[in-house]
Amino acid sequence: GAVVSQHPSWVICKSGTSVKIECRSLDFQATTMFWYRQFPKQSLMLMATSNEGSKATYEQGVEKDKFLINHASLTLSTLTVTSAHPEDSSFYICSAQPDLAGLAGYDQETQYFGPGTRLLVL
Amino acid sequence: DQQVKQNSPSLSVQEGRISILNCDYTNSMFDYFLWYKKYPAEGPTFLISISSIKDKNEDGRFTVFLNKSAKHLSLHIVPSQPGDSAVYFCAASLQGAQKLVFGQGTRLTINP
Repeated sequence: GAVVSQHPSWVICKSGTSVKIECRSLDFQATTMFWYRQFPKQSLMLMATSNEGSKATYEQGVEKDKFLINHASLTLSTLTVTSAHPEDSSFYICSAQPDLAGLAGYDQETQYFGPGTRLLVL
Repeated sequence: DQQVKQNSPSLSVQEGRISILNCDYTNSMFDYFLWYKKYPAEGPTFLISISSIKDKNEDGRFTVFLNKSAKHLSLHIVPSQPGDSAVYFCAASLQGAQKLVFGQGTRLTINP
């Protein structure tokens, strides 16, 4: 079964509106979560590292004021795309890394991915 | 600068045969490597990983080989099954850095 969930799975919005995407780890606590973006036929590109209790770390070229990240608890991170524009249309995927070494069935060095959220900005 | 490369965008294999997916990397500091499988409009699913202290890791039908001197890793799937048809991504990370660097992916098609 899924160990990381995302909501919503898809969203269509008008240009200029803000969209919030939730990422939850279901089976383990995750101090660190990651947000990726994938354009069609391209690889997954890391956008930012979400840290519970501290500010997110953004990759070069990713606008932190446009992509707001809040790691509200050890099982929840949210990504808000503010003032979305058509060029923000993409597939957004989160991942979570288990906090505890030896957690049954999970590898602390592995990122477990959510199912993704497809965003279409009109 | 593409630090992790999958030079074959697609691969077609007959059911029952071996599928070999290749991945090259340029950063010799990478010390942990992973393979993920991805279906369209879904998130990647973890398949298998290998630490740089090993040269082989096996899990059922999946085996990953690591050649550090050549900076090359490969994923072997045997026997290949129709359900294996998907896009496969290799990824690499630096110890403690947590960040994953992904290759471009290889679309594997298993023909009946």
